[in-house]
Amino acid sequence: QLQLQESGPGLVKPSETLPLTCTVSGGSISSGTYYWGWIRQPPGQGLEWIANIHYSGSPDYNPSLKSRVTISVDASKNLFSLKLTSVTAADTAVYYCVRQRREEFDFWGQGVLVTVSS
Amino acid sequence: DIQLTQSPSFLSASVGDRVTITCRASQGISSYLAWYQQKPGKAPNLLIYAASTLQSGVPSRFSGSGSGTEFTLTISSLQPEDFATYYCQQFNNYPPTFGGGTKVEIK
Repeated sequence: QLQLQESGPGLVKPSETLPLTCTVSGGSISSGTYYWGWIRQPPGQGLEWIANIHYSGSPDYNPSLKSRVTISVDASKNLFSLKLTSVTAADTAVYYCVRQRREEFDFWGQGVLVTVSS
Repeated sequence: DIQLTQSPSFLSASVGDRVTITCRASQGISSYLAWYQQKPGKAPNLLIYAASTLQSGVPSRFSGSGSGTEFTLTISSLQPEDFATYYCQQFNNYPPTFGGGTKVEIK
């Protein structure tokens, strides 16, 4: 069974960079036509798609975050990563890594809560 | 961005009730719509994709319909484990977007 596991700091200071990693197990990140991505959910709020990437490259970003986000993939380690720069309190959220099958997200990590605070 | 409007945002229902949730898109999205269930403290779980296709392992009491701009999720007979928040999601255009959610609570 495919599993995704997020890792990253639980607390980040304002203006700093948030690094997140998603380790994929039970399947290869290089197989098939899947995309791999990130979705976030502020506490008590809805879901916001951040970015996705295919193992061969070609990332796509939400225009609302594009200037601050970088997504990358390391197929040799079977993981993908996200960096979000210049964070503010508005970036406080649970961050999920996901597998995108076609137009839907069929596997999700358990999520990691990231709080932006000094 | 395509806006998805779910209604109602909250509903109170009893075990055994038939429940219908609506999702309206700000422009046509063909059948590129999915539905998710989220329980407190957990990640969303895919229920329906391509508007009406049941994800493997999801009980048959869940069904989806619609195309274009109007979609529905129906639970034919609400079970105790179905009390949760439900989200629709479109991917006809980048960026993919989600509806605001419908919280289903016990009456």
